[in-house]
Amino acid sequence: SQQGEEDPQALSIQEGENATMNCSYKTSINNLQWYRQNSGRGLVHLILIRSNEREKHSGRLRVTLDTSKKSSSLLITASRAADTASYFCATDGGGSYIPTFGRGTSLIVHP
Amino acid sequence: NAGVTQTPKFRVLKTGQSMTLLCAQDMNHEYMYWYRQDPGMGLRLIHYSVGEGTTAKGEVPDGYNVSRLKKQNFLLGLESAAPSQTSVYFCASSYTARRTDTQYFGPGTRLTVL
Repeated sequence: SQQGEEDPQALSIQEGENATMNCSYKTSINNLQWYRQNSGRGLVHLILIRSNEREKHSGRLRVTLDTSKKSSSLLITASRAADTASYFCATDGGGSYIPTFGRGTSLIVHP
Repeated sequence: NAGVTQTPKFRVLKTGQSMTLLCAQDMNHEYMYWYRQDPGMGLRLIHYSVGEGTTAKGEVPDGYNVSRLKKQNFLLGLESAAPSQTSVYFCASSYTARRTDTQYFGPGTRLTVL
């Protein structure tokens, strides 16, 4: 079974706009990670947020974590066409540090 | 530093045929993983290894076998391929899984079973 579920499944925006995608999970976690997958490629790690953190930034990426709501969000500011990709959240918990991946959000950024 | 590499990139099999997918990493990582990715299903863990000579089952292990004879290599075998095994297979590695750690992924192998 998969732990995290991303929402929306697909997102289409114009270049320059912000993109927000969400991840919800069911049980308590150790930490949460976000990965990006360009078409036809493997996943690439973007950011890790620990269960005791509420917000983390990396360049144009902002990740928040609300453990009381069991949810996380990934915000990409000032999106670019090169941000077109699928984005996955990965959670680990229940005594294991092996991440479980969600189904992903497909983001299309139109130039 | 090649990272994680996978061989082959594409393969077409007939039902009942066997094949082995090879994953290699040059980062001296202890942990290695095999995932399959199907449309709308995300990544599902098939098998993983916590070190040379060890393997363990993941979420969807049936129909697959694995071996880790050398630390840098992790092999995924299909003894008798079935159409349900048509998928994209990704190998990944991480330094450890005793704490949350970044996984490094290979480029994938696209397998079609007719």
